[in-house]
Amino acid sequence: GAGVSQSPSNKVTEKGKDVELRCDPISGHTALYWYRQSLGQGLEFLIYFQGNSAPDKSGLPSDRFSAERTGGSVSTLTIQRTQQEDSAVYLCASSLEIAVSYEQYFGPGTRLTVT
Amino acid sequence: ILNVEQSPQSLHVQEGDSTNFTCSFPSSNFYALHWYRWETAKSPEALFVMTLNGDEKKKGRISATLNTKEGYSYLYIKGSQPEDSATYLCAYYNTDKLIFGTGTRLQVFP
Repeated sequence: GAGVSQSPSNKVTEKGKDVELRCDPISGHTALYWYRQSLGQGLEFLIYFQGNSAPDKSGLPSDRFSAERTGGSVSTLTIQRTQQEDSAVYLCASSLEIAVSYEQYFGPGTRLTVT
Repeated sequence: ILNVEQSPQSLHVQEGDSTNFTCSFPSSNFYALHWYRWETAKSPEALFVMTLNGDEKKKGRISATLNTKEGYSYLYIKGSQPEDSATYLCAYYNTDKLIFGTGTRLQVFP
């Protein structure tokens, strides 16, 4: 079946512009997660959704970052007024439910470069 | 701050060698420990989800053990092959999210 898909795969943007990253989870997965990996760093948790609700937004690095999920499916991560430190690979993952024993299925990521 | 540490940071082995690496995590309030493999130009892929102290899981030549009382997990690869070359990530489950370590980058030379 179809896995997690993300678009665009690559995005180059100028500092100060807004960008929108999209994630299509596996059909039927209620949980959706956003992570990012900056150069030389590990995977950093950003936000997760249970259905359309985001109970924990503490991982978002600043108020320039926001995310939403509609219809319990597609999610978008928006970064306003991008800065160079936002350059990273942004990964989306989904799992059947929010639960300790469910593995997460990752998308291929969006590589964001802010010039 | 919850710390998940992995060692070594990188590892180079010859084809056929067996190898292992370590993941350390907080031993209090343990729920689950995940292992993922991340090959270059691909998505991270789940290897194991471990929840019980003393758990041992195996998938082909790869196996993992878990000690929740002392807060560590070992990942073993028996008879490494070039296709095992990847970054191996462990992640500690904490209040509905995974806290990832920085990974061990394994390169297997033919």
